[in-house]
Amino acid sequence: GENVEQHPSTLSVQEGDSAVIKCTYSDSASNYFPWYKQELGKRPQLIIDIRSNVGEKKDQRIAVTLNKTAKHFSLHITETQPEDSAVYFCAASIGFQKLVFGTGTRLLVSP
Amino acid sequence: KAGVTQTPRYLIKTRGQQVTLSCSPISGHRSVSWYQQTPGQGLQFLFEYFSETQRNKGNFPGRFSGRQFSNSRSEMNVSTLELGDSALYLCASSLGDGQNQPQHFGDGTRLSIL
Repeated sequence: GENVEQHPSTLSVQEGDSAVIKCTYSDSASNYFPWYKQELGKRPQLIIDIRSNVGEKKDQRIAVTLNKTAKHFSLHITETQPEDSAVYFCAASIGFQKLVFGTGTRLLVSP
Repeated sequence: KAGVTQTPRYLIKTRGQQVTLSCSPISGHRSVSWYQQTPGQGLQFLFEYFSETQRNKGNFPGRFSGRQFSNSRSEMNVSTLELGDSALYLCASSLGDGQNQPQHFGDGTRLSIL
């Protein structure tokens, strides 16, 4: 079945630095890749997503890149702020709303 | 527009009991997916319903079941509860039309098994 690996498990950066989280998926039929942010005790919140026919997508300080050949996608956060501190999950789907999640990255942004 | 609503927020049960969790999707959303979140296993897909039909199912035992009503509200049932069923159960709704519509999560039901 589909498997998604996510690295690193923990990431500490200084405010203003960039943060990059990487994911690799196993099923070449995957065609949808969302990213979720989950703050402590709160619901996962969709922050950005990308479909397999697009190589890159940006939304203000957040960007996602997709390399279908390598089955690899990444989340880039620029100019990090303390409120970016949370656990970030990548996911992949081959359809019908079944998301397979990575194991999560705990991002800590220090002032 | 109201978000995804899950009830109850917290539940405490004992082994062997059964439990029913409820999820009301965002208005207009016809697909409801259920996920289990634990520290050890992370977020795992349980099943997805669209127009009262189960379209996809994860790798969970038959003790886990669900259904969806004509108003798109969904319930999840777990029978013969085990200690390992302690988890945060999240539902997510989406439009459901076509493949891979963005899913929006509720706050979850935290289930504790004693």
